Amino acid sequence: EDKVVQSPLSLVVHEGDTVTLNCSYEVTNFRSLLWYKQEKKAPTFLFMLTSSGIEKKSGRLSSILDKKELFSILNITATQTGDSAIYLCAVEGRGGGSNYKLTFGKGTLLTVNP
Amino acid sequence: DADVTQTPRNRITKTGKRIMLECSQTKGHDRMYWYRQDPGLGLRLIYYSFDVKDINKGEISDGYSVSRQAQAKFSLSLESAIPNQTALYFCATSDRGQGETQYFGPGTRLLVL
Repeated sequence: EDKVVQSPLSLVVHEGDTVTLNCSYEVTNFRSLLWYKQEKKAPTFLFMLTSSGIEKKSGRLSSILDKKELFSILNITATQTGDSAIYLCAVEGRGGGSNYKLTFGKGTLLTVNP
Repeated sequence: DADVTQTPRNRITKTGKRIMLECSQTKGHDRMYWYRQDPGLGLRLIYYSFDVKDINKGEISDGYSVSRQAQAKFSLSLESAIPNQTALYFCATSDRGQGETQYFGPGTRLLVL
C-alpha cells in the first residue's frame, strides 16, 4: 500500500525563523512528488519534483527530493505570519489496476507567531 | 473568474437525503478528481476521471457516485447521506500533459445531521 508520511504534524515558530518540513514516502513506480500550501481554503500548488538533488525555489521557499532515501524536504526561510498554513505533500505513483495513484500525506500545520 | 468552481460552497443536510455536489472547470483539463478532507486524515481520493468516458474509484468510493457530464463538469453524489460523510470536499483538475499538478476548487463544506 502506498504511503506518505509528513513530519512534524504541527510546528510553531516565530517570525524570522527557518523551518524544514519533511515528507517520506513508499509508492509503487514513483512519478513525482508535489507540495501544496493550504490556508483556509483549497490547497494551492507550490512545487513538483521529479528528479533527485535538484532544488526548486520560489522566493523564500525551496524544496528538494531524494529518490534514493525516498523523502523530500520543504524549507521556508525568514518565516512570516502569512506562511501559517497546512503544508501538504503528495506523491504520484503508477501501477496496479487503476494505473494511477496520487497519495497525500496528512499535512504539517505550521503556525508562525509575530 | 475562478478556474475551478464548486457548488454549493456550504450545505447542511439530514441523514438519508440524496445530495449532489457540482464541479466545473474552465481550464480545459481532461482529468478531474473528487477528494474529501477530514481533520487529521489529510486529503483522500473518492473518484477520479481521466476523460468523459473514464471513471475510476479512488481510496474511499463507498457511499458515493459520480457523473462526468462533460469535459468541464464532474459531479459527486451522496445517494443516502450519513453523518460520517460530514467533511470538506474538494474537486481538482489536472492536464494530461503537465504531470500531476492538480488545481483545486474552493471546497464544499458538508454537514450531515
